[in-house]
Formats: sequence, structure tokens, C-alpha cells
Amino acid sequence: AQKITQTQPGMFVQEKEAVTLDCTYDTSDQSYGLFWYKQPSSGEMIFLIYQGSYDEQNATEGRYSLNFQKARKSANLVISASQLGDSAMYFCAMREAAYSGAGSYQLTFGKGTKLSVIP
Amino acid sequence: DAGITQSPRHKVTETGTPVTLRCHQTENHRYMYWYRQDPGHGLRLIHYSYGVKDTDKGEVSDGYSVSRSKTEDFLLTLESATSSQTSVYFCAISESGLVYEQFFGPGTRLTVL
Repeated sequence: AQKITQTQPGMFVQEKEAVTLDCTYDTSDQSYGLFWYKQPSSGEMIFLIYQGSYDEQNATEGRYSLNFQKARKSANLVISASQLGDSAMYFCAMREAAYSGAGSYQLTFGKGTKLSVIP
Repeated sequence: DAGITQSPRHKVTETGTPVTLRCHQTENHRYMYWYRQDPGHGLRLIHYSYGVKDTDKGEVSDGYSVSRSKTEDFLLTLESATSSQTSVYFCAISESGLVYEQFFGPGTRLTVL
């Protein structure tokens, strides 16, 4: 089973509108972290936002917020007031305690959602 | 911006030739990673390092080897490149701990003909 599922291969949003990018995850760990990255057409990977499994409040970073629903194992990214520069691939990723410690602290990535902002 | 560079940024090579990609960091982070990115697959972990001379395999390690002789450098080697290794390769660094994000290098586009 996939650990990170992003069910929307592509999405369109009107400029200045809000958009939600879906992410569901699968883990048996109690301690884990969820991350969102943006990859514009230039190719670089840009960290956007982090949510810890024990964080009681949803994470926010400027126009980005994370709608964290732990019981549903979902960590959706909400972008408010979309801008043309938000057009990019967006990746959800998870870091689990089981793969950390003396291990790797590795991230497991979803396959991404391509967001296109329409003027 | 985190100080991570990758070299070369682009490379075209032929099947069967050895290829080495270099990742260099100036952040003194303990953890370093190599990912490959392919359409429809997201990013997949190839190998990672948790210290000098300490490395381990990731999800897609077959056909790749790594070395880390200094904190700042992490090398990825394709001993005998194959067309299936045509991909974009990203290096990333991280501090220890669940909360720390990984910072990514600019990527290397490798084409194996």
C-alpha cells in the first residue's frame, strides 16, 4: 500500500481563489511528520509547510495552511488567494519515527499534484 | 537558502559507462540523501548517509553505490549506467529529528543513451 496518496494528478484554480490539494497517508507510527513541497517548472524543490503528528493546531505559513485530520490520516494543503506563481507541482511527504532515530529520517513522497492557476 | 550544490547539473552518457554525481553542502548537516525523480513516481530514495562513512540503502538502490568521505560531500555512482537510470537526481540534506525539513539541491538531469 502506498504510504502517501495524492489523488489529484492535476488541478486548476482561478487566480485569487483558494485551492485545496489532497494528501492521505498510511502509518502505524504515533510519531511522524508531514511536509509539503513545491516544485515549479524550474525544477527546484521548495519546502512549504510542516505538521507534526502531536501538533494540536493546524500549521500555517503565510498563504499556506495544512488541514490536518489525524483520525482520517489526511493532511491537505490549502493555498489561499492563489497567484500565477503558485502554478507548480506539489508534493506531500511523510517522515516516520520508525525510519528515523539511528536510521534515515527519510521522507516518503507522494506522486504529486500539478496545480495550474488561471488568470 | 541552504548551501547545497550538485555537479554536474546535466549529463548525457552512454549505456555501460560509469557515472558519478556529486553533492556538496556547506550546512554541516549530518544526514544526506540521494533521490531520483521520474514522471508518475514522485521522488524515490536511492541511498542516504547518516554520517561520514555511514550509508544505507533506500527504496531503489539497485545499480547505485554511494560514498561519504567528508561531512560536506556525498557521491552517487552508477557503476554501469543503463537507460532505466535516465532521471533527475536530487540530493537533500537534513538535521536529525522528525521536525526538520529536508533541503534539496538543484538537481542533476542525467540521460543515458
